[in-house]
Amino acid sequence: DADVTQTPRNRITKTGKRIMLECSQTKGHDRMYWYRQDPGLGLRLIYYSFDVKDINKGEISDGYSVSRQAQAKFSLSLESAIPNQTALYFCATSGGQGPYSNQPQHFGDGTRLSIL
Amino acid sequence: GIQVEQSPPDLILQEGANSTLRCNFSDSVNNLQWFHQNPWGQLINLFYIPSGTKQNGRLSATTVATERYSLLYISSSQTTDSGVYFCAVQDSGAGSYQLTFGKGTKLSVIP
Repeated sequence: DADVTQTPRNRITKTGKRIMLECSQTKGHDRMYWYRQDPGLGLRLIYYSFDVKDINKGEISDGYSVSRQAQAKFSLSLESAIPNQTALYFCATSGGQGPYSNQPQHFGDGTRLSIL
Repeated sequence: GIQVEQSPPDLILQEGANSTLRCNFSDSVNNLQWFHQNPWGQLINLFYIPSGTKQNGRLSATTVATERYSLLYISSSQTTDSGVYFCAVQDSGAGSYQLTFGKGTKLSVIP
């Protein structure tokens, strides 16, 4: 079984719809992240969470919201989807504690989201 | 913020050839990772290498943190090595928690 699981893997929806992407992990990590990838580009950070009570905006948070339901679960929502949110979305986790601890990030397989 | 530049942007190799991919970054880092994104979009962790040298089979990586670059070596390339290779860094400044990705090197290995 994958350590970081994203659902759904693919989604096509219409402009204006509310969408939720889910991420769960079995690695026991406190830190979780959501990134998006646009064609021909690297990943950019949307939101990150260091624990259930600690959620922070990343580089491109406008139009998105998140929920950390438990240590193992981190969901990304698009409240009213628009076509330029069409992208590949990745969830990631990392270990370590404290603001200066750096551990490698581990990524899920991605969710391919298309908004018509 | 920190800048990450990867070169070359595109690379075509004959199967069996060797290659070197480069990643330059603009500031000191305490996390550097190399990823392979396969044609299905999956990101595969290759190396966590903020400094030093590591090897894993036909792949090896070296990071010279003081000179702000990292190299990924692929030897005896195979068609399954095709895809995009990303370098991602986390700068060592206080309050910086995200990985900043380069734009990647697209590798095509032809039989």
